[in-house]
Amino acid sequence: DGGITQSPKYLFRKEGQNVTLSCEQNLNHDAMYWYRQDPGQGLRLIYYSQIVNDFQKGDIAEGYSVSREKKESFPLTVTSAQKNPTAFYLCASSNPYRGRGGYTFGSGTRLTVV
Amino acid sequence: DQQVKQNSPSLSVQEGRISILNCDYTNSMFDYFLWYKKYPAEGPTFLISISSIKDKNEDGRFTVFLNKSAKHLSLHIVPSQPGDSAVYFCAARGNAGGTSYGKLTFGQGTILTVHP
Repeated sequence: DGGITQSPKYLFRKEGQNVTLSCEQNLNHDAMYWYRQDPGQGLRLIYYSQIVNDFQKGDIAEGYSVSREKKESFPLTVTSAQKNPTAFYLCASSNPYRGRGGYTFGSGTRLTVV
Repeated sequence: DQQVKQNSPSLSVQEGRISILNCDYTNSMFDYFLWYKKYPAEGPTFLISISSIKDKNEDGRFTVFLNKSAKHLSLHIVPSQPGDSAVYFCAARGNAGGTSYGKLTFGQGTILTVHP
């Protein structure tokens, strides 16, 4: 079955360390997205990519970096520059130009800074 | 600037009654609207959607209404069930071209609790 996989489900990081969250999809979707969810703040867009080797900053990109070397993969690195990294991170994919373009979400990664 | 707003952080409803979740938007260029449902520690799942050229879409117990003049949409769940208890996000899609096409803007979410 096609889907989108995020790993790990739970991640703990020491302050000052970089950490990379994995996101892989086998839906043949062109676009991929990273969102962050905090209590009471909904889903906020970190980065998105419409095609391989290209990506754009979202609303809260500071302290994060991404790469899109393969269509299937869109890893997110949370750097030590991110001041409040503890959050629930969601990856999504879509085909903006085909069908209704709705997102398919992964199951999320809970990142906690200790 | 919050382009999509869900002004009610939470809603509590009795089982069997109607749940109405509301969403307002400011950008008249949005061409497609969606509702997602999210359980704790899981990713959101698609629930129902509506194109900007329509004013109503129904799918079983779920109906979405769109009032373009008021820039308002609502999700009706009838009858509500305890399993409907979750966070509901409305989302809007911009129709601008280029690298922004297809990007969804989400509201803050509304926590729905359906009591048995």
